[in-house]
Amino acid sequence: DAKTTQPPSMDCAEGRAANLPCNHSTISGNEYVYWYRQIHSQGPQYIIHGLKNNETNEMASLIITEDRKSSTLILPHATLRDTAVYYCIVRVAGGAGSYQLTFGKGTKLSVIP
Amino acid sequence: DGGITQSPKYLFRKEGQNVTLSCEQNLNHDAMYWYRQDPGQGLRLIYYSQIVNDFQKGDIAEGYSVSREKKESFPLTVTSAQKNPTAFYLCAIRGRGNYGYTFGSGTRLTVV
Repeated sequence: DAKTTQPPSMDCAEGRAANLPCNHSTISGNEYVYWYRQIHSQGPQYIIHGLKNNETNEMASLIITEDRKSSTLILPHATLRDTAVYYCIVRVAGGAGSYQLTFGKGTKLSVIP
Repeated sequence: DGGITQSPKYLFRKEGQNVTLSCEQNLNHDAMYWYRQDPGQGLRLIYYSQIVNDFQKGDIAEGYSVSREKKESFPLTVTSAQKNPTAFYLCAIRGRGNYGYTFGSGTRLTVV
């Protein structure tokens, strides 16, 4: 799996956009970028994933650079409930058999009132 | 938890005792996983199973055992051979398509 690099922590003011960066310079052509988040003492929650096009859902937007070596998760209007650890993971998706996701330490996002 | 249930939420164990953590799913998914998480750390894979009656060791399988007798159940036993079992344990299933994992709410195990 391609290795990812994320800042250990970030702060964001409530109501503002939170932009969480991730570097994955060794990503290969068939690897997707996944984002999960983990609120304290809960299991990680899937947020969004993408291959090369930008993606948006009800939770967030994912912006992937044209060379695919980095991406940014955007929470458009952060609330206090968005305070969590955010994990960026790259992995081949789908296909026969199972696959494993490797979770690093992620970015601890603190939303400040 | 989207059809995946872990129990109990909190568990206390005396040193030298085995303890079994439950993970049940009703989504009919084949692949199931157990992860361990220590404070301030990421998740580490203990065991995973792709089909009934088959399972594979992950990165930190020593001191743990699993079984997969039914598709919907993947219990994890923390044995007395696990020297530092106090941790947060997470069970996950792999979703269909490209949607990655769905996690349970976790079991926090404390050795007393």
